[in-house]
Amino acid sequence: DAGVIQSPRHEVTEMGQEVTLRCKPISGHDYLFWYRQTMMRGLELLIYFNNNVPIDDSGMPEDRFSAKMPNASFSTLKIQPSEPRDSAVYFCASSLQFGTTDTQYFGPGTRLTVL
Amino acid sequence: EDQVTQSPEALRLQEGESSSLNCSYTVSGLRGLFWYRQDPGKGPEFLFTLYSAGEEKEKERLKATLTKKESFLHITAPKPEDSATYLCAVQQGAQKLVFGQGTRLTINP
Repeated sequence: DAGVIQSPRHEVTEMGQEVTLRCKPISGHDYLFWYRQTMMRGLELLIYFNNNVPIDDSGMPEDRFSAKMPNASFSTLKIQPSEPRDSAVYFCASSLQFGTTDTQYFGPGTRLTVL
Repeated sequence: EDQVTQSPEALRLQEGESSSLNCSYTVSGLRGLFWYRQDPGKGPEFLFTLYSAGEEKEKERLKATLTKKESFLHITAPKPEDSATYLCAVQQGAQKLVFGQGTRLTINP
């Protein structure tokens, strides 16, 4: 399996622009997670989906952030408008809940820089 | 509020010098405690899951242990390739993970 795939790997944009991050989970996994990692706050959960349905979005910082999962193999995280404080590494992870085996597997991340 | 605290923040060892990393947690109803390794510029890589106090798991030079309040990641005779940031996370609720800030480990040859 190719693992979790994220694109782009790096994104540089200017304040006010729309940014869309993409994720393809591991085939067959029914949970998908979006995280943000910064030096100050570490790794934080933003939102997660189960069977394409958003379950918990309490970590989404504000209305400028939105996430969708139109099908089992694709999810997007959108920031509109972007701000310099959104600069971070954004990770997507997926897992398969089967009994107690619910390990989350992470993608390589997207490094976002907002100027 | 569930919390995870890792110590030390950074640790520098000589090759072959064994040591332990600590992960202290407060969570209501622990479902699982996870250890991940993260190399610079990469996503966290899964190492271990521990579910109950007294449980131990090993992988090569790493051994993870769990008590009711903390977990240790023991590194025996480390090599330079063990250099990385080690993250601890506790599982709350159905699937949510709460991560600690990590311990940055450097092994000098």
